[in-house]
Parts: sequence; structure tokens; C-alpha cells
Amino acid sequence: KQEVTQIPAALSVPEGENLVLNCSFTDSAIYNLQWFRQDPGKGLTSLLLIQSSQREQTSGRLNASLDKSSGRSTLYIAASQPGDSATYLCAVISGGYQKVTFGTGTKLQVIP
Amino acid sequence: DAGITQSPRHKVTETGTPVTLRCHQTENHRYMYWYRQDPGHGLRLIHYSYGVKDTDKGEVSDGYSVSRSKTEDFLLTLESATSSQTSVYFCAISESNGPGELFFGEGSRLTVL
Repeated sequence: KQEVTQIPAALSVPEGENLVLNCSFTDSAIYNLQWFRQDPGKGLTSLLLIQSSQREQTSGRLNASLDKSSGRSTLYIAASQPGDSATYLCAVISGGYQKVTFGTGTKLQVIP
Repeated sequence: DAGITQSPRHKVTETGTPVTLRCHQTENHRYMYWYRQDPGHGLRLIHYSYGVKDTDKGEVSDGYSVSRSKTEDFLLTLESATSSQTSVYFCAISESNGPGELFFGEGSRLTVL
């Protein structure tokens, strides 16, 4: 059974700092890994999708990497801003449409 | 943003009453999903659909049923709501099976008294 862990559960940083969020998974036989952000009371917003054949994806100040052999993905946020404050979730797609496993998230607070 | 609308967004009901949540998409995506999100449990799959009238169970399907009579609509029904079904319900869609990118609706907050 795939298990997805996100550490730390919460993180508080000053504005402008570069930061890394971690996602670990136990079964390396995955199709994709997707990063989301969730604002309080809102749905999940897709940030980046990394396919199993890719090593990384970039969108603006965000960069996500994938190392299947070690069962890890990292989300790098450059020059953090207060608007980045949210909960960040990773989801591992390791089978058919029903085999999406979510991590429990990292709650990020960026302090002005 | 993906065109996904959930209704109602908020609902308070009493134990034993039926409840139907609706997910409407304008993307013509084939796959649709219902998740619930609870503190300490994260997101868990309730039911999913891989086409009109084609649905199957997820990991927490007891007490829930679904229907999909049109590509754009996916209904989640609680036949007789219980307090344990108090949760935030999210609809998601994807274009393809497995490797497809998931897009989520804004959620429906259900409180069962």
C-alpha cells in the first residue's frame, strides 16, 4: 500500500526566504506526482505535475523535483511571499484512477 | 481554472435525511471523482466515474451512492446522513486515466446534526 508523508507538518518563514517542502512515498512504481496548494476553506489548486519520466518541473518561482528511486519529491519555492501562505499537498498517482494517495500536507506561513 | 462547480457549497442537515451533492464540469473530462477531507485523515476517495453510467467504489464508499447520467454531472448521494459524514466534500476531474492531472472543485461543506 502506497504511503505518502510530508514533513514538516507546519513551517513558518520570513518573507523573501527560499524554502523546500518535502514529500516521501513508499512505492516507487508511480505514474505521476502532483503538487497542490490549498487555501483555508478552498479547494485544491494544481501547482505542478511531474510525470514519472521527468526529473523536475518549473512554474514561475516554483520548482518541483522527483527522485523515484529514493521515493522523494521536493517543492522549492524561491523568494517566498505572504501570498504563498497555504497548505501544500502532494499526491502520488501509482496506479489507475483510483490509486491516488495524498499526503497530509505542510502548512506554510510566510511572515511579512 | 478548471470549470468545476459544486453545489450546494454549504449544507446543514439532520441525521437520517437524504442529501445530494452535485458536481458540474464544463471541461468535458471523462473521469470524475468524489473525495472527502477530514482532519487527521487527509483526502479519501469515495467514488469515481470513468464515463457516463460507469462508476466504481473508492476506499470509503459505505453510506454513499453516485450517479452520472451526463458527462458533465456527477452526483453524490447520502441516502441517510449520519454525523460521521460531516465533512468537506470535493469533486475532482481528470482528462485521462491514471497519469492525468487532477483538478478540484471548491468543495461542499456538509454538517450533519
